[in-house]
Amino acid sequence: AQSVSQHNHHVILSEAASLELGCNYSYGGTVNLFWYVQYPGQHLQLLLKYFSGDPLVKGIKGFEAEFIKSKFSFNLRKPSVQWSDTAEYFCAVNPQAAGNKLTFGGGTRVLVKP
Amino acid sequence: DTGVSQNPRHKITKRGQNVTFRCDPISEHNRLYWYRQTLGQGPEFLTYFQNEAQLEKSRLLSDRFSAERPKGSFSTLEIQRTEQGDSAMYLCASSPGDLGRGETQYFGPGTRLLVL
Repeated sequence: AQSVSQHNHHVILSEAASLELGCNYSYGGTVNLFWYVQYPGQHLQLLLKYFSGDPLVKGIKGFEAEFIKSKFSFNLRKPSVQWSDTAEYFCAVNPQAAGNKLTFGGGTRVLVKP
Repeated sequence: DTGVSQNPRHKITKRGQNVTFRCDPISEHNRLYWYRQTLGQGPEFLTYFQNEAQLEKSRLLSDRFSAERPKGSFSTLEIQRTEQGDSAMYLCASSPGDLGRGETQYFGPGTRLLVL
């Protein structure tokens, strides 16, 4: 079945550490890619998205993600995390052949210790 | 606040009862989506409207579920004869256009349903 995989369910790290969250998908055609974040008690918010063009995309709050088509991956990175980055992060894929629906990964809970 | 709004935010019901949730999208967003999120999982697509037309329904949407968007603005999601397995967060999202054209889905706060 076509799916989106986020390899880490939980990540714990200290402030100023670097963060990389993996996301792989299994769709073979053209895809649009998204990272959403859900801070405690808040709703899903868009961090960044890839639609076309430069495969390295920059989002809000210092996050970036790289689309590697050959690896079917869209990993999220931040060079130096803050306590306020504690949240759950979701990768989502929109295969262009699938219309307007998003398929989400299972999420990664990130806890940043002060 | 001009974001997506959902009501109620929480609903507790007994098995077998019917429940209805409402979603108000961002003004002028003609696309509206419903997703369901269970504990420890990412959201799963349920259905999608373009204006008042329901264009796609997931196989997750059993015949106990019905969604409407009668005037192309707000939408309702009704679950009939609720079951304990329906307990989840029901999320609504809206977008001004197609994802394939670079648009984004904006999510509401969700309605958390607990079926006893």
